[in-house]
Amino acid sequence: QVRLQESGPGLLKPSETLSLTCSVSGGSLNNNYWSWIRQSPGKGPEWIGEVFSSGTTHYNPSLESRVSISVDVPKNQFSLKLKSLTAEDTAMYYCATEDGGRWWAFDIWGQGTMVTVS
Amino acid sequence: NFILTQPHSVSESPGKTVTISCTRSSGTITSNFVQWYQQRPGSSPTTVIYNDNRRPSGVPDRFSGSIDRSSNSASLTISGLQTEDEADYFCQSYATNYRVFGGGTKLTVL
Repeated sequence: QVRLQESGPGLLKPSETLSLTCSVSGGSLNNNYWSWIRQSPGKGPEWIGEVFSSGTTHYNPSLESRVSISVDVPKNQFSLKLKSLTAEDTAMYYCATEDGGRWWAFDIWGQGTMVTVS
Repeated sequence: NFILTQPHSVSESPGKTVTISCTRSSGTITSNFVQWYQQRPGSSPTTVIYNDNRRPSGVPDRFSGSIDRSSNSASLTISGLQTEDEADYFCQSYATNYRVFGGGTKLTVL
């Protein structure tokens, strides 16, 4: 069973760039979509974007101008960069992926990492 | 792109049945599969329904999903409510190169 683990700084200042990494264990990154999702306190999840193992990316239009997602297949990890941070970017950030070919769903989630912008 | 609207909260007594709705703002609800996730405090979401009405292994058959074309909505129904069902529930769907979640419904079992 694939497992995901997020890592990165928990506290950042306004205008800085957030960099998070998701390490994948128990399987390969090949032929899957890998997503970043965030959840502000008390709100529903917000899809940030995804990367396919080939490097193809798709982003949420509301964040597209500030976000970049990349994949490193040999290292079995994928990464998120979000620039020009504001307090509104404070949230729990999850990496997630599908299982069983259901590219439209999120069957496997990391435990999440809390990011505070202050 | 469309949005998914859920009631903010619902409550029901143990042993009863509750239904949570998820209404799609534009486009037809049958165009793309709907998933439902359960999230307990301090935990990551887990799938309770996928592809509108399919249950992952390990999810009790008290959980069911359905689609209503007339209201352009999906629904999650939980029967025989148990205190352990108290959680937040989110619907999720997609369009080409886009994924969207509902705002979530807090289920209280009292």
